[in-house]
Amino acid sequence: QSALTQPASVSGSLGQSITLSCTGSSSDIGSYDLVSWYQQHPGTAPKLLIYGVTKRPSGLSDRFSGSKSGSTASLTISGLQAEDEAHYYCCSYAGSSTFIVFGGGTKLTVL
Amino acid sequence: EVQLVESGGGLVQPGRSLRLSCEASGFSFDNHAMHWVRQVPGKGLEWVSGVTWNSGIMGYADSVKGRFTISRDNAKNSLYLQMNSLRIEDTALYYCVKDMKPILRLADGFDIWGQGTMVTVSS
Repeated sequence: QSALTQPASVSGSLGQSITLSCTGSSSDIGSYDLVSWYQQHPGTAPKLLIYGVTKRPSGLSDRFSGSKSGSTASLTISGLQAEDEAHYYCCSYAGSSTFIVFGGGTKLTVL
Repeated sequence: EVQLVESGGGLVQPGRSLRLSCEASGFSFDNHAMHWVRQVPGKGLEWVSGVTWNSGIMGYADSVKGRFTISRDNAKNSLYLQMNSLRIEDTALYYCVKDMKPILRLADGFDIWGQGTMVTVSS
């Protein structure tokens, strides 16, 4: 069982906007602005999408955006494209004992 | 080109040991914390261990604490994971990962991932 909770699957239509959730606790997301999101296509390594809750790596599409409210972080993908179909993982710093926790991942299907 | 290349994976019997290596290139290795993250095929990501830029602090997941040891050699731009007393549940693809920050308590993103090295623990 993962420390962060993500829905197992979500789906959205081409061109639509969709928001993926990641629920943690006061020990991780609720205490630190150190949330990141990763996209993983089958057979490839994860790719950083969002870091520090809201920041995008240089060169990444602005269709991806992150936010946080309390102990829940969110990733919003606007203008869904076929290539967005992938697994998405959230991650958070969780203090100097646990250090890093991941969510179980969400499979995004683009209809 | 910024790159992480893992090696050392393979098939090993339960209870035995294995040492993973990761060679970094294309960035200032000694300016960044480094981590190992594993993934059982078809399953999610699990953080295994991390080390600060200067090896001052090492952190471990509870599932590997006392069995795995992370280390780095900044002169060789290399990260290591010594895995002892291996268990069947340690079977996974192990990724070497670059932290954007130098210390673990500022870890807000992992921007470079290797392609992974597969570890299979089986009798």
